[in-house]
Amino acid sequence: SQQGEEDPQALSIQEGENATMNCSYKTSINNLQWYRQNSGRGLVHLILIRSNEREKHSGRLRVTLDTSKKSSSLLITASRAADTASYFCATDVAGNTGKLIFGQGTTLQVKP
Amino acid sequence: KAGVTQTPRYLIKTRGQQVTLSCSPISGHRSVSWYQQTPGQGLQFLFEYFSETQRNKGNFPGRFSGRQFSNSRSEMNVSTLELGDSALYLCASSTSGGFATDTQYFGPGTRLTVL
Repeated sequence: SQQGEEDPQALSIQEGENATMNCSYKTSINNLQWYRQNSGRGLVHLILIRSNEREKHSGRLRVTLDTSKKSSSLLITASRAADTASYFCATDVAGNTGKLIFGQGTTLQVKP
Repeated sequence: KAGVTQTPRYLIKTRGQQVTLSCSPISGHRSVSWYQQTPGQGLQFLFEYFSETQRNKGNFPGRFSGRQFSNSRSEMNVSTLELGDSALYLCASSTSGGFATDTQYFGPGTRLTVL
């Protein structure tokens, strides 16, 4: 079974609005990573947050991590049509170097 | 630096055949991971190589195998293809050498269709 579960599965918003996606996982992690995928192409790395970090920013992206609740969230502010894509969280489980476990993803549609 | 490249980009095979996919990592990256992506199962980890050694393996049958060469390039092979092997196969490289998995840089993938 997948380590990460994402919520919601699909999200549709208007340009300019904020989008929030959540990810929950089951076991201890070294870090958690977020990726974006456009239409079945390769994945693009967005942010890596380590287990001892609580929040991280990159441009319009903000990621939080709560290890006590085993959950993370990705916030995209002031969304654009170009943000339309699938977003995946991936966990680096402690003791499993080189292996990321991906969630099922959130499909985000940003309407112009 | 050039990104991760995968060849071929598209492949059509018939059941029972075998296939070899190739991945060239970013220069200087010694870790190469392979993932299978299907609509039903999502992204699933196949295996990871570091300095020509398989460090980690997912839950796939023995028909799926891989190797890494001294220049870090990697190949994966699937023998006796089944319809369910139709998928997007993604390769990723990273500098992961220690006890944590660093940022993975993905290639564009190979789309395999089994008829």
